[in-house]
Amino acid sequence: EVQLVESGGGVVRPGGSLRLSCAASGFTFDDYGMSWVRQAPGKGLEWVSGINWNGGSTGYADSVKGRFTISRDNAKNSLYLQMNSLRAEDTALYHCARDFLGGDYSRGFDPWGQGTLVTVSS
Amino acid sequence: QSVLTQPPSASGTPGQRVTISCSGSSSNIGSNYVYWYQQLPGTAPKLLIYRNNQRPSGVPDRFSGSKSGTSASLAISGLRSEDEADYYCAAWDDSLSGRWVFGGGTKLTVL
Repeated sequence: EVQLVESGGGVVRPGGSLRLSCAASGFTFDDYGMSWVRQAPGKGLEWVSGINWNGGSTGYADSVKGRFTISRDNAKNSLYLQMNSLRAEDTALYHCARDFLGGDYSRGFDPWGQGTLVTVSS
Repeated sequence: QSVLTQPPSASGTPGQRVTISCSGSSSNIGSNYVYWYQQLPGTAPKLLIYRNNQRPSGVPDRFSGSKSGTSASLAISGLRSEDEADYYCAAWDDSLSGRWVFGGGTKLTVL
């Protein structure tokens, strides 16, 4: 069974940092691109960042560019999101999601993990 | 303000056919595929339609997608109570350095 499990969320003060992790299982991790997609409480979906199968290509939403860094460790079947200079507006449930069709991150998201909650508050 | 525009709500009675629209621009829907996601209450989103009108394995054929120009739509026929969920459209956007954009979501109520 394909499974994505996020961890690393929590409560952090504005300006602080967090590192999210996503553990993948049930598929050949290095065959697929991956993304982080967030959902603020009661709001819609927002793509945060994506990375291709070997980490050679990455992309970021303008709202996080320069503050967040996506990476992956194919040997550990894991995806990461380093979040620095956090702001109140970064408060959200962060989902990791696999590219539906293959090694890039531009062909849809499926499946999704259940998410890890990040709360930025003083 | 979402880049793609969806109606905030839609409704129908069991057995009815409902459609949800998604409007974008030449840099997203006009030049790239549209994807649709279903988010049941308290769960993670699930891919419903990919590449405008393709259904992943396991998605009932009651769900269908279409695209014309810079707009797309999701149709659900034979509406069932378990279809009550939030629905999101998404597309790759070629502006700036490339990014995914989503609609604001449509809450579907089965009356």
